[in-house]
Amino acid sequence: SQQGEEDPQALSIQEGENATMNCSYKTSINNLQWYRQNSGRGLVHLILIRSNEREKHSGRLRVTLDTSKKSSSLLITASRAADTASYFCATDAINQGAQKLVFGQGTRLTINP
Amino acid sequence: DAGITQSPRYKITETGRQVTLMCHQTWSHSYMFWYRQDLGHGLRLIYYSAAADITDKGEVSDGYVVSRSKTENFPLTLESATRSQTSVYFCASTPGLYYEQYFGPGTRLTVT
Repeated sequence: SQQGEEDPQALSIQEGENATMNCSYKTSINNLQWYRQNSGRGLVHLILIRSNEREKHSGRLRVTLDTSKKSSSLLITASRAADTASYFCATDAINQGAQKLVFGQGTRLTINP
Repeated sequence: DAGITQSPRYKITETGRQVTLMCHQTWSHSYMFWYRQDLGHGLRLIYYSAAADITDKGEVSDGYVVSRSKTENFPLTLESATRSQTSVYFCASTPGLYYEQYFGPGTRLTVT
């Protein structure tokens, strides 16, 4: 069963603009993670945010977590062509075990030059 | 080289054949995982292992077998391949609970 659901499924913006992707999940979690996948490659970890954290930054990335709404958002500021990729959220539900990550179907982000 | 590798990168096999996908990591991470990625389903967990000789099923384990005799290796075997097992398979590892996972480059498997 799908725990995390990303929205939108696809997003196309101009280089330099900000990109926001959202993730919703169903059950209580320990952590939520965001990963990036370039076409034909493996996933690369971006940020892990714990259930007791509300916001986290890493370079041009900003992740928020609202456990009351069971949702998270990933903001990429000042987008670049190299940010073109699919972005996935992954959650580990408290009742499933910390290492059983459940991935959403991803948001496909296209940055237009 | 350090990291996590998978072999083969591409494999075409016939229905009913046994296929083994290899995964090797050089970090001595305790946990290792196998996922499959299909359009419309995202990544789904097949099996994971918490340590050598400790494995457990994931969401879609039917038709797959794993073993982990050494910490660094985690092979995945399709005992009798079916067309529905055509997919991209990713191996991942992590040093422990509540840490990020590191993914291999993937194996694209086609079952004809």
